Amino acid sequence: DGGITQSPKYLFRKEGQNVTLSCEQNLNHDAMYWYRQDPGQGLRLIYYSQIVNDFQKGDIAEGYSVSREKKESFPLTVTSAQKNPTAFYLCASSTGLPPYEQYFGPGTRLTVT
Amino acid sequence: SQQGEEDPQALSIQEGENATMNCSYKTSINNLQWYRQNSGRGLVHLILIRSNEREKHSGRLRVTLDTSKKSSSLLITASRAADTASYFCATDAKTSGSRLTFGEGTQLTVNP
Repeated sequence: DGGITQSPKYLFRKEGQNVTLSCEQNLNHDAMYWYRQDPGQGLRLIYYSQIVNDFQKGDIAEGYSVSREKKESFPLTVTSAQKNPTAFYLCASSTGLPPYEQYFGPGTRLTVT
Repeated sequence: SQQGEEDPQALSIQEGENATMNCSYKTSINNLQWYRQNSGRGLVHLILIRSNEREKHSGRLRVTLDTSKKSSSLLITASRAADTASYFCATDAKTSGSRLTFGEGTQLTVNP
């Protein structure tokens, strides 16, 4: 089955700890994306990568970091510098070619207390 | 910043009725897409309309695009309880590469 997976589905952390969210795809897509979604809101782009070993900041990159060492994987680290990390995090991928249809994972709900 | 804005924010209808959601955007686009999100899940692509198209159909979905007004509408006909979800428009601006900008979404509730 081709698809995009995120793990874990729920994640709980204490304030001051870094946490890494996993995103893996077997769609052979070049581009991958991380979004943050707060309750009742739309999606805000955190980081995106159009090709392996390259990534760009989105609209809300502060307090987050990413790596893209393999085509299949695009992990997101939520650092202790992120002031309000509790949110629903969505990973997506696309071919990177027009019309840029994105395929989404099931999401990870992160709660920091 | 979010380019797309959906209207209304929330819509509640009875099964069998039609649901219309609107999306406005600010910059020139190549394509506009509509996605659906069931509660607590990832988004699923529904339909795409290119900037040189005015209307597109897919099953019970009808999308229109008016580039002069920078707006789009999504019509779901003969709605079902299973259509209950949030619906988002997403645009790729001519200068943004593969980035999509998502709107705030319309929460649709279809009552049985």
